[in-house]
Amino acid sequence: GAVVSQHPSWVICKSGTSVKIECRSLDFQATTMFWYRQFPKQSLMLMATSNEGSKATYEQGVEKDKFLINHASLTLSTLTVTSAHPEDSSFYICSAPGPGATEAFFGQGTRLTVV
Amino acid sequence: GENVEQHPSTLSVQEGDSAVIKCTYSDSASNYFPWYKQELGKRPQLIIDIRSNVGEKKDQRIAVTLNKTAKHFSLHITETQPEDSAVYFCAASNGITGGGNKLTFGTGTQLKVEL
Repeated sequence: GAVVSQHPSWVICKSGTSVKIECRSLDFQATTMFWYRQFPKQSLMLMATSNEGSKATYEQGVEKDKFLINHASLTLSTLTVTSAHPEDSSFYICSAPGPGATEAFFGQGTRLTVV
Repeated sequence: GENVEQHPSTLSVQEGDSAVIKCTYSDSASNYFPWYKQELGKRPQLIIDIRSNVGEKKDQRIAVTLNKTAKHFSLHITETQPEDSAVYFCAASNGITGGGNKLTFGTGTQLKVEL
Protein backbone atom coordinates (compact mmCIF):
# COMPACT_ATOMS: atom_id res chain seq x y z
CA GLY A 1 0.00 0.00 0.00
CA ALA A 2 0.88 3.66 -0.21
CA VAL A 3 3.30 4.91 2.43
CA VAL A 4 3.66 8.43 3.78
CA SER A 5 6.69 9.08 5.94
CA GLN A 6 7.00 12.04 8.25
CA HIS A 7 10.18 13.27 9.89
CA PRO A 8 11.06 13.89 12.64
CA SER A 9 8.74 11.85 14.86
CA TRP A 10 9.35 14.20 17.74
CA VAL A 11 11.24 17.42 18.30
CA ILE A 12 11.90 19.74 21.20
CA CYS A 13 12.87 23.32 20.44
CA LYS A 14 13.34 26.57 22.26
CA SER A 15 10.91 29.46 22.03
CA GLY A 16 11.70 31.73 19.13
CA THR A 17 13.37 29.13 16.98
CA SER A 18 12.05 27.50 13.81
CA VAL A 19 11.33 23.85 13.19
CA LYS A 20 10.94 22.08 9.86
CA ILE A 21 8.81 18.97 9.46
CA GLU A 22 9.03 16.83 6.33
CA CYS A 23 6.30 14.73 4.76
CA ARG A 24 7.25 12.30 2.01
CA SER A 25 5.20 10.00 -0.17
CA LEU A 26 7.54 7.04 -0.54
CA ASP A 27 6.04 4.99 -3.34
CA PHE A 28 3.68 7.32 -5.10
CA GLN A 29 3.46 10.91 -6.25
CA ALA A 30 1.30 13.44 -4.47
CA THR A 31 0.47 16.77 -6.06
CA THR A 32 -1.54 17.60 -2.97
CA MET A 33 -0.78 17.01 0.70
CA PHE A 34 -2.67 18.09 3.78
CA TRP A 35 -1.30 19.29 7.10
CA TYR A 36 -3.29 18.75 10.28
CA ARG A 37 -2.68 19.75 13.88
CA GLN A 38 -3.93 17.80 16.86
CA PHE A 39 -3.83 19.11 20.41
CA PRO A 40 -3.96 16.60 23.29
CA LYS A 41 -7.29 14.81 23.52
CA GLN A 42 -8.67 16.80 20.61
CA SER A 43 -9.49 16.16 17.01
CA LEU A 44 -7.40 16.67 13.91
CA MET A 45 -7.82 20.15 12.51
CA LEU A 46 -6.80 20.96 8.97
CA MET A 47 -4.20 23.70 8.83
CA ALA A 48 -3.47 23.93 5.14
CA THR A 49 -3.47 22.22 1.79
CA SER A 50 -0.05 21.92 0.19
CA ASN A 51 0.01 22.09 -3.60
CA GLU A 52 3.02 21.01 -5.63
CA GLY A 53 4.48 23.91 -7.56
CA SER A 54 2.11 26.53 -6.18
CA LYS A 55 1.17 28.30 -2.98
CA ALA A 56 -0.45 26.47 -0.13
CA THR A 57 -4.05 27.12 0.79
CA TYR A 58 -4.48 27.93 4.48
CA GLU A 59 -7.56 27.39 6.58
CA GLN A 60 -9.17 30.31 8.29
CA GLY A 61 -7.29 31.38 11.38
CA VAL A 62 -4.00 29.74 10.43
CA GLU A 63 -1.15 32.23 10.05
CA LYS A 64 0.57 31.59 6.74
CA ASP A 65 3.64 33.59 7.76
CA LYS A 66 4.06 31.47 10.85
CA PHE A 67 3.42 28.08 9.30
CA LEU A 68 5.40 28.04 6.08
CA ILE A 69 4.57 25.28 3.64
CA ASN A 70 6.69 24.29 0.68
CA HIS A 71 5.78 21.54 -1.79
CA ALA A 72 8.80 21.56 -4.03
CA SER A 73 8.45 18.11 -5.53
CA LEU A 74 5.82 15.47 -6.16
CA THR A 75 6.97 13.48 -3.16
CA LEU A 76 7.88 16.06 -0.54
CA SER A 77 6.05 18.73 1.40
CA THR A 78 7.55 20.60 4.33
CA LEU A 79 5.97 22.54 7.16
CA THR A 80 8.14 25.07 8.96
CA VAL A 81 6.91 26.44 12.25
CA THR A 82 8.63 29.82 12.55
CA SER A 83 9.31 31.66 15.80
CA ALA A 84 7.80 28.79 17.73
CA HIS A 85 6.05 29.43 21.04
CA PRO A 86 4.85 27.00 23.71
CA GLU A 87 1.28 27.27 22.42
CA ASP A 88 2.51 25.77 19.13
CA SER A 89 3.30 22.54 20.95
CA SER A 90 1.12 19.93 19.31
CA PHE A 91 0.99 16.80 17.19
CA TYR A 92 1.38 17.68 13.51
CA ILE A 93 0.26 15.10 10.94
CA CYS A 94 0.41 15.18 7.16
CA SER A 95 -1.63 13.15 4.73
CA ALA A 96 -1.65 12.51 1.02
CA PRO A 97 -4.17 10.95 -1.33
CA GLY A 98 -2.90 7.57 -2.41
CA PRO A 99 -2.91 6.32 -6.00
CA GLY A 100 -6.36 6.82 -7.44
CA ALA A 101 -7.08 9.22 -4.59
CA THR A 102 -9.59 6.82 -3.09
CA GLU A 103 -8.03 6.95 0.37
CA ALA A 104 -5.97 9.34 2.47
CA PHE A 105 -2.64 8.06 3.82
CA PHE A 106 -1.21 9.64 6.93
CA GLY A 107 2.33 10.21 8.07
CA GLN A 108 3.26 8.96 11.52
CA GLY A 109 3.01 12.45 12.95
CA THR A 110 5.46 14.81 14.62
CA ARG A 111 5.23 15.65 18.30
CA LEU A 112 6.47 19.22 18.67
CA THR A 113 7.30 20.54 22.12
CA VAL A 114 8.36 24.17 22.45
CA VAL A 115 10.08 25.05 25.71
CA GLY B 1 -17.60 24.92 5.48
CA GLU B 2 -18.28 21.41 6.67
CA ASN B 3 -19.00 20.71 10.32
CA VAL B 4 -18.95 17.20 11.75
CA GLU B 5 -20.35 16.36 15.17
CA GLN B 6 -19.63 13.09 16.91
CA HIS B 7 -21.23 11.35 19.88
CA PRO B 8 -20.57 10.06 22.43
CA SER B 9 -17.23 11.50 23.50
CA THR B 10 -16.56 8.46 25.68
CA LEU B 11 -17.99 4.97 25.49
CA SER B 12 -17.35 2.10 27.82
CA VAL B 13 -18.59 -1.40 26.95
CA GLN B 14 -18.07 -4.91 28.21
CA GLU B 15 -16.04 -7.28 26.09
CA GLY B 16 -18.31 -8.99 23.59
CA ASP B 17 -20.89 -6.21 23.56
CA SER B 18 -21.55 -3.93 20.62
CA ALA B 19 -20.47 -0.31 20.34
CA VAL B 20 -22.12 2.38 18.26
CA ILE B 21 -20.70 5.81 17.48
CA LYS B 22 -22.73 8.42 15.63
CA CYS B 23 -21.78 11.40 13.50
CA THR B 24 -23.71 14.13 11.77
CA TYR B 25 -22.45 16.41 9.03
CA SER B 26 -23.67 19.71 7.66
CA ASP B 27 -22.52 19.93 4.04
CA SER B 28 -24.81 18.09 1.67
CA ALA B 29 -21.97 18.04 -0.88
CA SER B 30 -19.93 15.67 1.29
CA ASN B 31 -19.80 12.25 -0.29
CA TYR B 32 -17.02 10.33 1.44
CA PHE B 33 -17.17 9.27 5.08
CA PRO B 34 -14.20 7.41 6.57
CA TRP B 35 -13.76 6.16 10.10
CA TYR B 36 -10.37 6.13 11.78
CA LYS B 37 -8.96 4.43 14.84
CA GLN B 38 -6.16 6.29 16.57
CA GLU B 39 -3.99 4.97 19.35
CA LEU B 40 -2.14 7.38 21.57
CA GLY B 41 0.67 9.15 19.73
CA LYS B 42 0.04 7.25 16.51
CA ARG B 43 -1.31 8.12 13.11
CA PRO B 44 -5.03 7.62 12.35
CA GLN B 45 -5.73 4.20 10.88
CA LEU B 46 -8.57 3.81 8.39
CA ILE B 47 -10.91 1.05 9.55
CA ILE B 48 -13.80 1.48 7.16
CA ASP B 49 -15.24 4.06 4.81
CA ILE B 50 -18.43 4.63 2.88
CA ARG B 51 -19.38 6.70 -0.09
CA SER B 52 -22.65 8.50 -0.59
CA ASN B 53 -23.97 6.07 -3.19
CA VAL B 54 -24.06 3.31 -0.58
CA GLY B 55 -26.24 3.05 2.52
CA GLU B 56 -24.33 0.40 4.43
CA LYS B 57 -20.98 -1.32 4.36
CA LYS B 58 -19.67 -4.16 6.48
CA ASP B 59 -16.24 -5.61 7.09
CA GLN B 60 -16.21 -8.48 9.57
CA ARG B 61 -17.04 -6.99 13.00
CA ILE B 62 -17.23 -3.43 11.71
CA ALA B 63 -20.08 -1.80 9.83
CA VAL B 64 -20.97 1.72 8.81
CA THR B 65 -24.41 3.06 7.90
CA LEU B 66 -25.16 6.30 6.08
CA ASN B 67 -28.39 8.29 5.96
CA LYS B 68 -27.89 11.04 3.40
CA THR B 69 -31.29 12.58 3.98
CA ALA B 70 -30.64 13.06 7.66
CA LYS B 71 -26.93 13.72 7.10
CA HIS B 72 -25.74 11.23 9.64
CA PHE B 73 -23.60 8.12 9.63
CA SER B 74 -22.73 5.59 12.29
CA LEU B 75 -20.01 3.11 13.14
CA HIS B 76 -21.02 -0.25 14.57
CA ILE B 77 -18.51 -2.59 16.19
CA THR B 78 -19.80 -6.00 17.24
CA GLU B 79 -18.20 -8.53 19.57
CA THR B 80 -15.87 -5.90 20.97
CA GLN B 81 -12.43 -6.93 22.16
CA PRO B 82 -9.95 -5.17 24.47
CA GLU B 83 -7.78 -4.33 21.48
CA ASP B 84 -10.64 -2.26 20.09
CA SER B 85 -9.96 0.26 22.86
CA ALA B 86 -8.78 3.49 21.21
CA VAL B 87 -10.04 6.85 20.03
CA TYR B 88 -12.30 6.70 16.98
CA PHE B 89 -12.82 9.61 14.60
CA CYS B 90 -15.39 10.02 11.89
CA ALA B 91 -14.66 12.35 8.99
CA ALA B 92 -16.27 13.77 5.90
CA SER B 93 -15.07 15.14 2.61
CA ASN B 94 -16.27 15.74 -0.91
CA GLY B 95 -14.73 15.00 -4.26
CA ILE B 96 -14.94 12.65 -7.13
CA THR B 97 -12.77 9.96 -5.64
CA GLY B 98 -13.26 10.61 -1.96
CA GLY B 99 -9.73 10.34 -0.70
CA GLY B 100 -8.34 13.25 -2.64
CA ASN B 101 -9.89 16.09 -0.72
CA LYS B 102 -9.40 17.55 2.71
CA LEU B 103 -11.08 15.82 5.60
CA THR B 104 -13.21 17.41 8.29
CA PHE B 105 -12.98 15.30 11.42
CA GLY B 106 -15.45 14.71 14.19
CA THR B 107 -14.47 15.38 17.79
CA GLY B 108 -13.57 11.79 18.56
CA THR B 109 -14.87 8.99 20.78
CA GLN B 110 -12.74 7.32 23.42
CA LEU B 111 -13.83 3.68 23.37
CA LYS B 112 -12.91 1.49 26.30
CA VAL B 113 -13.61 -2.22 26.18
CA GLU B 114 -13.59 -3.72 29.65
CA LEU B 115 -12.92 -7.32 30.48
